[in-house]
Amino acid sequence: EPEVTQTPSHQVTQMGQEVILRCVPISNHLYFYWYRQILGQKVEFLVSFYNNEISEKSEIFDDQFSVERPDGSNFTLKIRSTKLEDSAMYFCASSLRVDYEQYFGPGTRLTVT
Amino acid sequence: AQSVTQPDIHITVSEGASLELRCNYSYGATPYLFWYVQSPGQGLQLLLKYFSGDTLVQGIKGFEAEFKRSQSSFNLRKPSVHWSDAAEYFCAEGHAGNMLTFGGGTRLMVKP
Repeated sequence: EPEVTQTPSHQVTQMGQEVILRCVPISNHLYFYWYRQILGQKVEFLVSFYNNEISEKSEIFDDQFSVERPDGSNFTLKIRSTKLEDSAMYFCASSLRVDYEQYFGPGTRLTVT
Repeated sequence: AQSVTQPDIHITVSEGASLELRCNYSYGATPYLFWYVQSPGQGLQLLLKYFSGDTLVQGIKGFEAEFKRSQSSFNLRKPSVHWSDAAEYFCAEGHAGNMLTFGGGTRLMVKP
């Protein structure tokens, strides 16, 4: 069964460093998403991406964040200068159409020290 | 703004007992509603979805959910819980199927 994959599973970085989280969505899906879950809190929407453009983003997704689909299979989330409060589990998701269910990857746990 | 409420943070049931997890949504005459399950250290797995039509929807692992517009609810049920069902369950609402708004989650513990 096709699945969304994410690498790395755990990333530790120092405050102020740049990180890139990688995702491989399901191959025929067209819509891509990033969510995050701070420990003990709700899963929060960050951004959605379609046709090489951001289609929607939340207030969390400020200028420190960017997304890219560098090739036909990968979807990345970059945090330019990490802060302690960026420590969270980051989930990638994809869907076939905008009104279809989203399938989630296993997540990348980001720890900022 | 959308909000999804799961009133029960923790629920403990005995193995073999029935289960109902509550979810209330706040947005939309025709919401897109989902239940996801997260086992420890795992990602979010889709259990079931409601887009329209029959208000009782069947999902994987023997789960079902009922959409009740009058109560703005989408409760998850299972007639007989197994120890492997212990996990955290999230209700979510989609806005035009794009951004999902999640509830706070309900952690299910299963007693032998």
